[in-house]
Amino acid sequence: NAGVMQNPRHLVRRRGQEARLRCSPMKGHSHVYWYRQLPEEGLKFMVYLQKENIIDESGMPKERFSAEFPKEGPSILRIQQVVRGDSAAYFCASSPRFSGRNEKLFFGSGTQLSVL
Amino acid sequence: AQTVTQSQPEMSVQEAETVTLSCTYDTSESDYYLFWYKQPPSRQMILVIRQEAYKQQNATENRFSVNFQKAAKSFSLKISDSQLGDAAMYFCAYRAGLTQGGSEKLVFGKGMKLTVNP
Repeated sequence: NAGVMQNPRHLVRRRGQEARLRCSPMKGHSHVYWYRQLPEEGLKFMVYLQKENIIDESGMPKERFSAEFPKEGPSILRIQQVVRGDSAAYFCASSPRFSGRNEKLFFGSGTQLSVL
Repeated sequence: AQTVTQSQPEMSVQEAETVTLSCTYDTSESDYYLFWYKQPPSRQMILVIRQEAYKQQNATENRFSVNFQKAAKSFSLKISDSQLGDAAMYFCAYRAGLTQGGSEKLVFGKGMKLTVNP
């Protein structure tokens, strides 16, 4: 049973380009979370999605950032017109359901985005 | 808004000794969960231990245990018999409980770098 898969592991973009980060949750998991980790910081929540629905995007910047989790395929975090401040590690986590007491969140190894 | 504070950016411990990592949090909620995550250089976030706020008993997982002081909003992690493989960043995290509704997002502290000396 493969874990949460994120790709690419490293992504280099020039200012103004688009970045697409992919996350395949664990098999059977229908809930996906995206977090961002700036250097020397903890992870900051960005967005929570279920299949075809954005449930909570309170941590997403209002502009340039978008996320989706289609019925088929991985979840995508898209950053348009990247700037140097977007350089960070982006983590995806998945869980099987909104189950609460016994729920366990599984993290991927992250995508390190570097903006030149 | 909930906040999580880890005031010690770095600590070191001798192999086989015991170390305690501190964490405080702020919330007005009564139902919540607290976690310690380990992040080695591979960047993988690994759950070390979790504590439900409604449980008075401190959680333990092998060499890892917590001291959960609900009134003081303190949640420290004790690592006994430290091993070289324990060297990593450690993050304290908070999550609201089911009764709060909404998503199960985690609020993380800034982390603490643990070095284990042979």
